[in-house]
Amino acid sequence: EAGVTQFPSHSVIEKGQTVTLRCDPISGHDNLYWYRRVMGKEIKFLLHFVKESKQDESGMPNNRFLAERTGGTYSTLKVQPAELEDSGVYFCASSYKKGTEAFFGQGTRLTVV
Amino acid sequence: LAKTTQPISMDSYEGQEVNITCSHNNIATNDYITWYQQFPSQGPRFIIQGYKTKVTNEVASLFIPADRKSSTLSLPRVSLSDTAVYYCLVGGIPIYNQGGKLIFGQGTELSVKP
Repeated sequence: EAGVTQFPSHSVIEKGQTVTLRCDPISGHDNLYWYRRVMGKEIKFLLHFVKESKQDESGMPNNRFLAERTGGTYSTLKVQPAELEDSGVYFCASSYKKGTEAFFGQGTRLTVV
Repeated sequence: LAKTTQPISMDSYEGQEVNITCSHNNIATNDYITWYQQFPSQGPRFIIQGYKTKVTNEVASLFIPADRKSSTLSLPRVSLSDTAVYYCLVGGIPIYNQGGKLIFGQGTELSVKP
């Protein structure tokens, strides 16, 4: 069974540009989570989808970040415009049901220069 | 949520047993203790969870004293491939905190040397 897949694995963009990260969860997993770790800090929760609905977006840092999950399958996280402090590793995770084990992708390393 | 405290880093040698202790003085009655492992360039991976006493699986053992204010993850006979960051998480729902999202601390960076 394929695991959680994230694209791209690395992205280097200039400040002010737009970047879109993609996450393909495990097939059949209704719950999808985004997390990120910025340099020197802890892994932080960003938001949680249940199917196509945002269940909890309390961790989204500001309105430059937009997450979508159209059709309840894959999800995208867009950063527009990107700032230097957005650099870090963005993780996606999915689970079958809330409260059950979630599986993480390998992450997308974003570097804003 | 209960705050956790772990050593920032630990060194070990192949074949040794490694014990990583996590303090969680404010743990609540219905909180579970969960440990995650993260290899370089990968996402975190669940390894073990417990509520009290001892839990053992094919990867590790988890020791929880009666007062539950701390827990110890034990890795038997580590190998180079056990080099990773280990996170201790505490929360009220089995496996996950707050009904879904995980609250990570800084973790312990374990380095296993030959």
